[in-house]
Amino acid sequence: NAGVTQTPKFQVLKTGQSMTLQCAQDMNHEYMSWYRQDPGMGLRLIHYSVGAGITDQGEVPNGYNVSRSTTEDFPLRLLSAAPSQTSVYFCASSSQGYIEQFFGPGTRLTVL
Amino acid sequence: KQEVTQIPAALSVPEGENLVLNCSFTDSAIYNLQWFRQDPGKGLTSLLLIQSSQREQTSGRLNASLDKSSGRSTLYIAASQPGDSATYLCGMHMEYGNKLVFGAGTILRVKS
Repeated sequence: NAGVTQTPKFQVLKTGQSMTLQCAQDMNHEYMSWYRQDPGMGLRLIHYSVGAGITDQGEVPNGYNVSRSTTEDFPLRLLSAAPSQTSVYFCASSSQGYIEQFFGPGTRLTVL
Repeated sequence: KQEVTQIPAALSVPEGENLVLNCSFTDSAIYNLQWFRQDPGKGLTSLLLIQSSQREQTSGRLNASLDKSSGRSTLYIAASQPGDSATYLCGMHMEYGNKLVFGAGTILRVKS
């Protein structure tokens, strides 16, 4: 199993550009989440999904969109990038809620 | 709102020392608590998961304890090694909503 994979590993955007961060898992997990990690602030939840077709907002959802058309994939869309979205983004998955989560390697995003 | 504090923020110890990392939280309505390790530029690796009904979990040289009534969890590392150098994060599933709330982490350096 590859586990949780994320692409790209690094990305530089200009303010106002849009892009999609990709996340995929091959463990048949129902639950998937997106977090951002900023220095000194730990990880914060952006959006999460409890199954295909079901998504919900986390703590910091503004400026991000998600959809879940398949069990395997959970892409995160930045509609109009802002410098405040410069961060490291992590995707995670688990087979059920409230149990051990598995994290991807992260995407380091810089918005100029 | 759950507030999670990890003390110390950074720790430097000589090889072979036993050490304790602390995680305190303000809201005891947690479902479980998970300790993670993060190497520089990498994703999170799960170390131990403690369910709210448990007091502690052990894996090799690691022992994690949980005291919901006092709002504290500790991660004990025995006989530390240079390979233990990393950032250690505690994250907890809250009973309300499917999300992990993280502390900012403790940066550990074990000197040889």
